[in-house]
Formats: sequence, structure tokens, C-alpha cells
Amino acid sequence: DTGVSQNPRHKITKRGQNVTFRCDPISEHNRLYWYRQTLGQGPEFLTYFQNEAQLEKSRLLSDRFSAERPKGSFSTLEIQRTEQGDSAMYLCASSLLIEAFFGQGTRLTVV
Amino acid sequence: GENVEQHPSTLSVQEGDSAVIKCTYSDSASNYFPWYKQELGKRPQLIIDIRSNVGEKKDQRIAVTLNKTAKHFSLHITETQPEDSAVYFCAANTGNQFYFGTGTSLTVIP
Repeated sequence: DTGVSQNPRHKITKRGQNVTFRCDPISEHNRLYWYRQTLGQGPEFLTYFQNEAQLEKSRLLSDRFSAERPKGSFSTLEIQRTEQGDSAMYLCASSLLIEAFFGQGTRLTVV
Repeated sequence: GENVEQHPSTLSVQEGDSAVIKCTYSDSASNYFPWYKQELGKRPQLIIDIRSNVGEKKDQRIAVTLNKTAKHFSLHITETQPEDSAVYFCAANTGNQFYFGTGTSLTVIP
């Protein structure tokens, strides 16, 4: 599969624990986005990288959230001290020019 | 920032009829407008897009129109089929992030 790959697909964690998600974009795509989607809503922007540079962060991204793209290829999104309100689908997308393609997402459930 | 509104939130049509979903945006700097189809439990898939220098684009049964002056764009699906049933999202891009609408749940009744 040469599309955007996200791991894990599902994550159940206890409140207060830290979690980390990984996104592997389409090869050679220089832009990488993280979005959060809750049931019945459209994707909400979290953050955006061009190559390894994090160019924009949403105000939704509290200090418990951090994202990295160290070598301009894969990216990780870490949530520290998870809260029940963090339960959502976390989507990653990548683009080369402007068309963005999404991964299958990581569904996080905080219990 | 950009604000994208999408209507209707739900839409039911008989198989073979047409479906129209409308979106408005607020930022005149937005210059790229994609549409995504999301089936239950699956990733959003890009189905069609339009750039601000174009007024209409068609791909088989799907078409998108853009009115830059009024800041609205629409998705048109003709000859709907049951497999068109899904949630459809519009989005606007200013060159950086994408701003999404809240989605339209389309049901095509056989």
C-alpha cells in the first residue's frame, strides 16, 4: 500500500497515560497534516509540517500535545496525560502540491 | 481564520436522482476547494477538487461549481447510486491548512 499509513489503528488508554501515534506519508510528499475528528464532525486542524518544519499549530493543540517530523518523512503525535475529551479519530494527511490524501486514522479511546 | 459552512447536514435521495451539497467560505484568500467522501470507519477520500481560477469541473457523475464572488461552492452528484451513500466533506485551503465543513450524510435509497 503506497498510501498514507497510520499506526496503531486503535488505541485504548487509561486517563492520565501518554500515547504516541505514528504517520508515514506518501513517499516524497513534503507536507504533512494532523487532524482530529469526532463523531458527526468534520476534521479539525491540529498541526502542519512542511518537510521537518512545523509551520502551523492550532489553538486546539494544548501543551499536552506535541508533534514531530524529525527527518521530514514520518511524523509522530504524542498526547501526554490523556483526558477523556481526547477520545477521537486522529487523522494524518500528506500532500506534494496541494491535493491532500488521508490515512485511515488512529482511533483513540480514553477510559 | 477561515470558516467553512456546509449544508444540508443530512440528505436522502432516491436512486437515480441528483444530490447537491453546498458550502460557503469566509476567507477570500482561499484558492483550493476539495471534496472528500468518507464511508463509515474509513479514511476521507478525495473525490474532486476545484481551484479558484476555475468555475466548474466535472468528472463523470460528479461536478463541482465555484462562485468566488459569493464565496460558495457546490458538489453535484447525478444519477445517484446506493454506493454513493457516505458522508461528504467540503474544504477550503488558503495555501496552508485545510478548513473542513461539518459534513453531509448522504443516503441513496434503492
